[in-house]
Amino acid sequence: DIQMTQSPASLSASLGDTVSLECLADGAISTYLMWYQQKPGRSPQLLIFGTSNLQDGVPSRFSGSGSGTQYSLRISGVQPEDEGVYFCQQGYKYPLTFGSGTKLEIK
Amino acid sequence: EVQLVESGGGLVQPGRSLKLSCAASGFTFSNYYMAWVRQAPKKGLEWVATISTSGTTTYYPDSVRGRFTISRDNANSSLYLQMNSLKSEDTATYYCARRKTVAAVWDYWGQGVMVTVSS
Repeated sequence: DIQMTQSPASLSASLGDTVSLECLADGAISTYLMWYQQKPGRSPQLLIFGTSNLQDGVPSRFSGSGSGTQYSLRISGVQPEDEGVYFCQQGYKYPLTFGSGTKLEIK
Repeated sequence: EVQLVESGGGLVQPGRSLKLSCAASGFTFSNYYMAWVRQAPKKGLEWVATISTSGTTTYYPDSVRGRFTISRDNANSSLYLQMNSLKSEDTATYYCARRKTVAAVWDYWGQGVMVTVSS
């Protein structure tokens, strides 16, 4: 199975900061990397697919990059509504696997 | 508007069975692969099962293969998850999710249904 490791586990940012969340795969995933946001008490929402493609309706302050085994999600100018947990997921090989999440707090 | 509404959760004893349902609306259900993803309390996400558009092809991780069965009824826009031989570690919120046309990407999720396995 492909293990996905996210860092940091938690992050605190001030309004307007730019933050980067990291995701490391322990095998090649050929850019089949997705990012989901989960707000407290809500179901996950797709933010980015295929490493860098923004899902419809997602604000442009979210962007993704990466290749090989290293991927990142960047939020440029965090807003209060960005608070939540962010999960990465590989879609390259079964079993499909998720990272353990990065909890983002907005100060 | 795409809607996915799960039902059928609850408290069940270890070793018993439970069947979850997901009612889909707002899109042509038969055109999309569908999946179940679960989340144990205060934990991360775990993919549970995927089913092809026709229902003829299914995929499972080792943790549930042989115990869980995903199925669908395209005529009624419904997705199911039959869970047998339940274990305490199956306790989780179960989400029904629609797979985007791009492989292994889930673009719509239901609100989730809680399953608690306990004696």
